Amino acid sequence: NAGVTQTPKFQVLKTGQSMTLQCAQDMNHNSMYWYRQDPGMGLRLIYYSASEGTTDKGEVPNGYNVSRLNKREFSLRLESAAPSQTSVYFCASSGPERTGIALKGNTIYFGEGSWLTVV
Amino acid sequence: DAKTTQPPSMDCAEGRAANLPCNHSTISGNEYVYWYRQIHSQGPQYIIHGLKNNETNEMASLIITEDRKSSTLILPHATLRDTAVYYCRRYYGNNRLAFGKGNQVVVIP
Repeated sequence: NAGVTQTPKFQVLKTGQSMTLQCAQDMNHNSMYWYRQDPGMGLRLIYYSASEGTTDKGEVPNGYNVSRLNKREFSLRLESAAPSQTSVYFCASSGPERTGIALKGNTIYFGEGSWLTVV
Repeated sequence: DAKTTQPPSMDCAEGRAANLPCNHSTISGNEYVYWYRQIHSQGPQYIIHGLKNNETNEMASLIITEDRKSSTLILPHATLRDTAVYYCRRYYGNNRLAFGKGNQVVVIP
């Protein structure tokens, strides 16, 4: 059980280049998320997907696109990278957790992060 | 809008209990309180959550006030490895709420 796996871990891009960050989870979670984290800004939600085939914008979606390829995978694409997109990117997933018939809650599980530098 | 309020930072002494406060005065009856922490350069990690009752696990204890307007995360014997940013969040129905900036906790030897 690997949890949430994201690749690549490090990437340097030139302004205008495109790239895709890949994310996969093996916990059978319905919901998946992409966050970015910048110094002093906390975690900000870029996009999320509540279920396979659906995606919605978060706080900071401009400059990004996402694809929920199947239940396991949720990718984040930068079509034309800009220096302002230099950041640490975290993928995450969550699913309802139950004890018997009782709903326990909905914990978010994060990947290890992808460090992206746009020069 | 994280809908919770935490101090931006705090120090605590190694070996002592660390009490991390969180205000969530507008919380509704079905919303859980979740705590996560993020150690430098790592992805955030779940610590504990609760609804009404106090909760304890191997990592921490969560004390929720009777009116549910605030809670306290207790690290019983803080170690240097507990230095991290701690996030207090609310959950009901979806996880789209912002994480906020959290509380930077530094454990001092």
